[in-house]
Amino acid sequence: SQQGEEDPQALSIQEGENATMNCSYKTSINNLQWYRQNSGRGLVHLILIRSNEREKHSGRLRVTLDTSKKSSSLLITASRAADTASYFCATDAWGSGNTGKLIFGQGTTLQVKP
Amino acid sequence: NAGVMQNPRHLVRRRGQEARLRCSPMKGHSHVYWYRQLPEEGLKFMVYLQKENIIDESGMPKERFSAEFPKEGPSILRIQQVVRGDSAAYFCASSPKLGSQYFGPGTRLTVL
Repeated sequence: SQQGEEDPQALSIQEGENATMNCSYKTSINNLQWYRQNSGRGLVHLILIRSNEREKHSGRLRVTLDTSKKSSSLLITASRAADTASYFCATDAWGSGNTGKLIFGQGTTLQVKP
Repeated sequence: NAGVMQNPRHLVRRRGQEARLRCSPMKGHSHVYWYRQLPEEGLKFMVYLQKENIIDESGMPKERFSAEFPKEGPSILRIQQVVRGDSAAYFCASSPKLGSQYFGPGTRLTVL
């Protein structure tokens, strides 16, 4: 399996519900980032959480990071139809030769039904 | 401050032709990354460049692919003698330093 795996692969909820996506990774990291991608479009940076942070909020987004379990979660509260998209976590590898390149998971496809 | 710009947005090539993809980073950003996204998959790192230097090309196929980031002008990802398997979305990202990367809209390459 690869660094930065998300689960579930697909999630379908009703508008107003909360959506939780999880991401696991393998190596030590400097930071972990979450991105959103609408179908056929580019990536939008949502939030970055550093390895020494445990939780971060941005509007309706809440990200947690557990470095002992090498996992992160993205919570979207009070979801809207416009939140329908694919969500990716990405990590950068810590260590010598770190170039900041990101390793992406396969993504979680979220569908929010109106 | 304009975002990361990529052109063309869509590119169609026949097998054996060359594809040139351009990326203009955000103003003040000297780090450029190229990623490839195959259908229904996440992005895969290809190459990392700073002005005039390739820093990490560990994700680049050994043949047919090359990248540059000249002192003046955009970064170029060049694919020679394209094959159908090269069909994908190619994304460029820039950053001012190691940290948050800002992505362009991507170039969708279709090889016929």
